[in-house]
Amino acid sequence: AQSVTQPDIHITVSEGASLELRCNYSYGATPYLFWYVQSPGQGLQLLLKYFSGDTLVQGIKGFEAEFKRSQSSFNLRKPSVHWSDAAEYFCAVGATDYGQNFVFGPGTRLSVLP
Amino acid sequence: EAQVTQNPRYLITVTGKKLTVTCSQNMNHEYMSWYRQDPGLGLRQIYYSMNVEVTDKGDVPEGYKVSRKEKRNFPLILESPSPNQTSLYFCASIKGGSYNEQFFGPGTRLTVL
Repeated sequence: AQSVTQPDIHITVSEGASLELRCNYSYGATPYLFWYVQSPGQGLQLLLKYFSGDTLVQGIKGFEAEFKRSQSSFNLRKPSVHWSDAAEYFCAVGATDYGQNFVFGPGTRLSVLP
Repeated sequence: EAQVTQNPRYLITVTGKKLTVTCSQNMNHEYMSWYRQDPGLGLRQIYYSMNVEVTDKGDVPEGYKVSRKEKRNFPLILESPSPNQTSLYFCASIKGGSYNEQFFGPGTRLTVL
């Protein structure tokens, strides 16, 4: 069964600074990888996804993520953080077309200082 | 507008009083799923359904039931709620073949006293 770890429970950055949120997964085959964002009191919104092909994927809101098979990682990055990016971020891995064994990481809470 | 809806959004109840949280999607998706979200644990899958009358357990099914009599609806049933089921619940749906891109409902915050 697959698993996902997000080593950082809480990260604080200053507005305008760069951001990297870490995600490591465990899965025997090529995984389907996702990053979701959850703003306070809101549901989950898909930021980006990786299925195959180019290992650097672009998402919404200026986010990107890079799949590194050798490191079993799928880290999320943003070059310049905005105050509105304060939220909780979840990395997730899926193993089939229909979502069985879809596993989320525990989440990383991002705080942004003015 | 394509969406997943859940009702109620907030619910406070007492131990042992049966309740149902409804979930409905208007995208004609085959696959639907229920998750619970707890601090520090992320989202954990409770049950999923691949199509009408086809359901299966996720990672944390104990204390929950589901049914899928219609494609659009996937209610979550707590026959005898207990305080450890206090949580934030999300319903999600997936279009077949879209590689697990899930569309989430707004969530239901349940408190069991």
